[in-house]
Amino acid sequence: DQQVKQNSPSLSVQEGRISILNCDYTNSMFDYFLWYKKYPAEGPTFLISISSIKDKNEDGRFTVFLNKSAKHLSLHIVPSQPGDSAVYFCAARAYNQGGKLIFGQGTELSVKP
Amino acid sequence: NAGVTQTPKFRVLKTGQSMTLLCAQDMNHEYMYWYRQDPGMGLRLIHYSVGEGTTAKGEVPDGYNVSRLKKQNFLLGLESAAPSQTSVYFCASSYSVGVPDRGYEQYFGPGTRLTVT
Repeated sequence: DQQVKQNSPSLSVQEGRISILNCDYTNSMFDYFLWYKKYPAEGPTFLISISSIKDKNEDGRFTVFLNKSAKHLSLHIVPSQPGDSAVYFCAARAYNQGGKLIFGQGTELSVKP
Repeated sequence: NAGVTQTPKFRVLKTGQSMTLLCAQDMNHEYMYWYRQDPGMGLRLIHYSVGEGTTAKGEVPDGYNVSRLKKQNFLLGLESAAPSQTSVYFCASSYSVGVPDRGYEQYFGPGTRLTVT
């Protein structure tokens, strides 16, 4: 039972263009969502988050959009840079589960010069 | 601050051998977690701890044990390793959920790559 799904294993984008990474979830008790970035041979690092009471959160080139009715969130990177090439994980927290996070399978982003 | 550190970085075990992975954090975090990452599976929670002396099972706890004797350390043990436990193991830590303005961000270590033959 995959509660958080990232259906695209990989995405390739040209430098300077927009990257859009998608995430779907099934659990209505999720109230907080996070995106993590992971380079090879390193641990995941926190990128950006959004509470379920909001529909958008922006931090520099990164924006996360939340559509609760569709149980869908997306991460937009504008403009994309070669250094953004990494695996991106979507994660969610249920309000009755303390600090535990449920992670998606990850999407590997490749930004080509 | 070193953040979250993990030892060892790499390990090869034979089936049936035992080992302990050590995680240490210097951020005074209450919560600590152990995950495993497998291709196409994302990060799956093995065990977690919400404070010194407490542990709880996560999504995939079978074959693993944990201990949190000190707030800054979280140990993951494999008593009898199996090839299915070949994976990359990540430790993470976070503030308790009651800390305002901290969200639910977890800080991860660099990982331990374990191969069981």
